[in-house]
Amino acid sequence: EAGVTQFPSHSVIEKGQTVTLRCDPISGHDNLYWYRRVMGKEIKFLLHFVKESKQDESGMPNNRFLAERTGGTYSTLKVQPAELEDSGVYFCASSQGVGQLNTEAFFGQGTRLTVV
Amino acid sequence: AQSVSQHNHHVILSEAASLELGCNYSYGGTVNLFWYVQYPGQHLQLLLKYFSGDPLVKGIKGFEAEFIKSKFSFNLRKPSVQWSDTAEYFCAVNARSGGYNKLIFGAGTRLAVHP
Repeated sequence: EAGVTQFPSHSVIEKGQTVTLRCDPISGHDNLYWYRRVMGKEIKFLLHFVKESKQDESGMPNNRFLAERTGGTYSTLKVQPAELEDSGVYFCASSQGVGQLNTEAFFGQGTRLTVV
Repeated sequence: AQSVSQHNHHVILSEAASLELGCNYSYGGTVNLFWYVQYPGQHLQLLLKYFSGDPLVKGIKGFEAEFIKSKFSFNLRKPSVQWSDTAEYFCAVNARSGGYNKLIFGAGTRLAVHP
């Protein structure tokens, strides 16, 4: 069974450009999460999809970040325009069991974004 | 708001030394607790988890953790570390928020084991 996959693994862009990150969750997982880790800091929650709906986007930094999950399958996270402080590793995770606590989240390998 | 605190950011040990990484969380309701590990160049993977029952849980590679509800703690232990345990370790809490669960992480502890 394929795990959570993220594309690209690395991205280096200039300040002001646009970048789109993609996450393919494990098939059948209704929950999809985006997290970000800035160097040396905690892995911070960004948002949570349940199927195609945004359940919780309280962690999104600002309106330069737009996440979508059309059809409830893969998700994209677009940063437009990118700023220097957006640099970090963006993780995606998926899990089964909507509304259940006892469910394990599986993580992708992350996308390392560097804004120069 | 829910939060997770990991007491040590960097730990350096020699092989065969014992390990204990501290984790405390703040949330008054029902929680599920996890330790994730990220080996160099790899993705986050689950080390162990606590859902209910015996508060002493055993995970992969000889790791174990003890849930102490009264102390809001879930410390990770291993009696004898190996060089291959060099990695970053994250404590995480799955807490209910607005009817859905939300996984909250600590800042991570970077462990270096020297031969």
